[in-house]
Amino acid sequence: DADVTQTPRNRITKTGKRIMLECSQTKGHDRMYWYRQDPGLGLRLIYYSFDVKDINKGEISDGYSVSRQAQAKFSLSLESAIPNQTALYFCATSAGLAGGPSGDTQYFGPGTRLTVL
Amino acid sequence: GQQVMQIPQYQHVQEGEDFTTYCNSSTTLSNIQWYKQRPGGHPVFLIQLVKSGEVKKQKRLTFQFGEAKKNSSLHITATQTTDVGTYFCAGWASGTYKYIFGTGTRLKVLA
Repeated sequence: DADVTQTPRNRITKTGKRIMLECSQTKGHDRMYWYRQDPGLGLRLIYYSFDVKDINKGEISDGYSVSRQAQAKFSLSLESAIPNQTALYFCATSAGLAGGPSGDTQYFGPGTRLTVL
Repeated sequence: GQQVMQIPQYQHVQEGEDFTTYCNSSTTLSNIQWYKQRPGGHPVFLIQLVKSGEVKKQKRLTFQFGEAKKNSSLHITATQTTDVGTYFCAGWASGTYKYIFGTGTRLKVLA
């Protein structure tokens, strides 16, 4: 969805480096999410935020941190990257309660492919 | 913890054959969404089911939500090569703030 952008799209880094992945949205949604996708494991939720002051851990938050700088921006950091964090990372948004019956629909960015050597 | 399993994990079909993927949750879901991810792409929303026993159709796709709101299915009639991709179900576990994706079913359609 072009309304949700992620930078960078691809990144190769070395073990121990600090990495930040950024997500921006123009959909005006309150809720934002970070997922990790590994082959055969589907999408796993890392962190989610229901509004600027609300940050929640997901299923696999260890080794990651997030910052919700504004309604439109949600960044994911790997403080000290390790090889098993090599994966495809997706940011997503949803309208939440403000979206009524469709509020749970998630809109995904194009993804960031991260390789940790 | 809560899990949402999909079967089969992979399916190869000849073009024109039907295809079904099943989604089974270990916990009751408030509602369920289905997404399609094309190879190299990102998940794209297909449909949402809310009511117990609900059935919805989109052209050749039929979606069903189980009576107990713990399972769902997606059926594609007469598959086409454009149906290729991975299909995911997802939903909020009832009474929690946990949004869970299914493990996905990868569909390949042979022309």
